[in-house]
Amino acid sequence: SQQGEEDPQALSIQEGENATMNCSYKTSINNLQWYRQNSGRGLVHLILIRSNEREKHSGRLRVTLDTSKKSSSLLITASRAADTASYFCATDVRYGGSQGNLIFGKGTKLSVKP
Amino acid sequence: GAVVSQHPSWVICKSGTSVKIECRSLDFQATTMFWYRQFPKQSLMLMATSNEGSKATYEQGVEKDKFLINHASLTLSTLTVTSAHPEDSSFYICSARREPPETYEQYFGPGTRLTVT
Repeated sequence: SQQGEEDPQALSIQEGENATMNCSYKTSINNLQWYRQNSGRGLVHLILIRSNEREKHSGRLRVTLDTSKKSSSLLITASRAADTASYFCATDVRYGGSQGNLIFGKGTKLSVKP
Repeated sequence: GAVVSQHPSWVICKSGTSVKIECRSLDFQATTMFWYRQFPKQSLMLMATSNEGSKATYEQGVEKDKFLINHASLTLSTLTVTSAHPEDSSFYICSARREPPETYEQYFGPGTRLTVT
């Protein structure tokens, strides 16, 4: 089953602009992670934010987490053409019998035009 | 680093044959590995959780007799697609969690693209 819902599904911006992607989820989580996937390739881990954290930065990436709204956002500042990829949020949901597997959202396809 | 490899990276097989995909953690031990499937332009769907030395845990709707998982060592898990059909064509991705779990982070393999003709 899928837990996360990203929006928008697709986002097209110009190089230098900021890109914001949102993710909503349904159940309680231990942490939320953002991944990037270039077309037809594997996943690259971008950033992890724990349930007791509200904001985290990594380079040009800024992630926020609002557990009361069950939502997270990923902001990429000063985007580059090389940022063109699909971005997925994934929640680490621990419940009885779970072994910490990730549940992925549907993803946002980001296109950065030079 | 924490590197996970998959082999093969792509495979084409005929309908009715079986295909084995390997997932290896190259520089760390992984008691738990996960297998995902991704259809074109869709998200990753968890198929099963693979545990070293014990039976895999399959997600609802995933046929355990069709997708055989063997986690024989702390660095290797295999997924065998038995009697493959065209609808099994997909991108299969594995991930591994480092043990002991220093973080919650999972490390993903580069994926295997399976095409069944």
